[in-house]
Amino acid sequence: DVKVTQSSRYLVKRTGEKVFLECVQDMDHENMFWYRQDPGLGLRLIYFSYDVKMKEKGDIPEGYSVSREKKERFSLILESASTNQTSMYLCASLPIVPYNEQFFGPGTRLTVL
Amino acid sequence: AQSVAQPEDQVNVAEGNPLTVKCTYSVSGNPYLFWYVQYPNRGLQFLLKYITGDNLVKGSYGFEAEFNKSQTSFHLKKPSALVSDSALYFCAALNSGYSTLTFGKGTMLLVSP
Repeated sequence: DVKVTQSSRYLVKRTGEKVFLECVQDMDHENMFWYRQDPGLGLRLIYFSYDVKMKEKGDIPEGYSVSREKKERFSLILESASTNQTSMYLCASLPIVPYNEQFFGPGTRLTVL
Repeated sequence: AQSVAQPEDQVNVAEGNPLTVKCTYSVSGNPYLFWYVQYPNRGLQFLLKYITGDNLVKGSYGFEAEFNKSQTSFHLKKPSALVSDSALYFCAALNSGYSTLTFGKGTMLLVSP
């Protein structure tokens, strides 16, 4: 089974802190994604990566950056956390197989105080 | 730009009754459509997808979906609902380039005993 793991299920940080969210997948998938999920807004794509050291902006990249130094690991970075970044963050991976489904991690619920 | 609409925030159904969760889409080119389910405090799980072929797609946990090109719809159905089907359901469309998804806002399904 494909496994996508995220470093924390729950995280509480203070405004202005630098926050790292880590995602690891064990199936050698080329593509990885970071979403945020907010009630009534569904899932919105923050960034994605189709290869090591490659990244592409999604729909809402402002206030975020990413890092992909190894194929299995994709990190989301909040350089200076703000209260409006309080959300559920979901990581996903996808193989290079036409029309395949994405595989999701369990999510990190981040609260910024 | 592509879009996916889920017109109902919540669907209520009694256990044993049939259920339908609605989804309409607007895409350029051929539509490639997915349904995911999210149980409380969990990540998204893939249910089923339409790529091509038969308009009735069968998926996990007894769910199926009907693709209707003329109505640009991809409604999720189940003949007999279970209380354990209560969850948040997302419809999604594959974007051109075939790696990123556009999600609907989600529909909460509540199945009462």
